[in-house]
Amino acid sequence: GNSVTQMEGPVTLSEEAFLTINCTYTATGYPSLFWYVQYPGEGLQLLLKATKADDKGSNKGFEATYRKETTSFHLEKGSVQVSDSAVYFCALRASSASKIIFGSGTRLSIRP
Amino acid sequence: DSGVTQTPKHLITATGQRVTLRCSPRSGDLSVYWYQQSLDQGLQFLIHYYNGEERAKGNILERFSAQQFPDLHSELNLSSLELGDSALYFCASSPRGEDTGELFFGEGSRLTVL
Repeated sequence: GNSVTQMEGPVTLSEEAFLTINCTYTATGYPSLFWYVQYPGEGLQLLLKATKADDKGSNKGFEATYRKETTSFHLEKGSVQVSDSAVYFCALRASSASKIIFGSGTRLSIRP
Repeated sequence: DSGVTQTPKHLITATGQRVTLRCSPRSGDLSVYWYQQSLDQGLQFLIHYYNGEERAKGNILERFSAQQFPDLHSELNLSSLELGDSALYFCASSPRGEDTGELFFGEGSRLTVL
């Protein structure tokens, strides 16, 4: 079945460090891929998305590229800030399905 | 503010009891999704409704049921509660044309079963 695997956290970085959170997926066909972010005490919100191979989603300095050959959608940011501390979820929606499947989430903490 | 409203925000109850969680989607959104977030199992898809009809069902227990009403609000009913049902329950809605994939989440209902 369809699934998403993302790196386990927590991840702790210093401010201005480079961030990578790995995400790989298993799906038939050509799924759409997403990164959602959950700030403390809030619901999830969409950070970025990509709907076809080689697409790059970007928002708020975060980027992720849809790599079909490696079935990956890694999240990157060049210089993190304390305000980026949150839980990040990789997700997919298979082309023939209505539901969105989420990974287990990666907690990110940024030290000043 | 996502525009999705969930009530109650917090609920404490005892094993064996029944509770109802309510969700009002964003204005105009026809799809409602329910997810369960627990510490050990991440975010689990429960069920999806579109304009009053069930569209997809995930790992939802038989003790749980849901429905979407004509005014598009949705309720998740949890019965014969067990300790393991303690979790954060999220509702999300999505715009008309369900292939966008973007979900708007409420702030969740935190259920504690004692």
